[in-house]
Amino acid sequence: ETGVTQTPRHLVMGMTNKKSLKCEQHLGHNAMYWYKQSAKKPLELMFVYSLEERVENNSVPSRFSPECPNSSHLFLHLHTLQPEDSALYLCASSQEASSGANVLTFGAGSRLTVL
Amino acid sequence: GENVEQHPSTLSVQEGDSAVIKCTYSDSASNYFPWYKQELGKRPQLIIDIRSNVGEKKDQRIAVTLNKTAKHFSLHITETQPEDSAVYFCAASQRTGRRALTFGSGTRLQVQP
Repeated sequence: ETGVTQTPRHLVMGMTNKKSLKCEQHLGHNAMYWYKQSAKKPLELMFVYSLEERVENNSVPSRFSPECPNSSHLFLHLHTLQPEDSALYLCASSQEASSGANVLTFGAGSRLTVL
Repeated sequence: GENVEQHPSTLSVQEGDSAVIKCTYSDSASNYFPWYKQELGKRPQLIIDIRSNVGEKKDQRIAVTLNKTAKHFSLHITETQPEDSAVYFCAASQRTGRRALTFGSGTRLQVQP
């Protein structure tokens, strides 16, 4: 496997379920991200991890809980979601550069539907 | 925080014509401006980027211009082809502080054969 892989690709869950999205990067990058992509707000930043430390939480509701156990893996734990949380969740990674040129490599996304 | 505005939201051109997409940003500390292309059902991919120390950058049929004073940057695609049809996103980030990219709302480009 190369690049950034996300599982599952599709997920349907009820509002009372607990599920997790998984992301793995094979690029040796030191930063990982969760973005939410929906028709209303394309590519909305959720969380940023740099060197396994959460450096940004973009006012995301607590029903979304990220976890970064190491520099290659990123999870998004989902609990008691709302139908408006239905969207494509994109994981990305990058090698943060001192110049600020932060080139993101995206995964294929996890399409989430909340019933 | 940073706010990136992108226009137009949709753009339809004839094959061979040029297409221009414009973005403005709010944070004068931003210094890196990439453009991503997302084809239908696929992941966004970087197509070109520019840093604040240059005003223009070209790569074959695509070019990006940056006006730091006015805080706007644009993507230019010449001799458009059907395979250029996609959603294009501009973004901005800083060298220090908030490094994560803030994306514009996207432009759906349709190239008519």
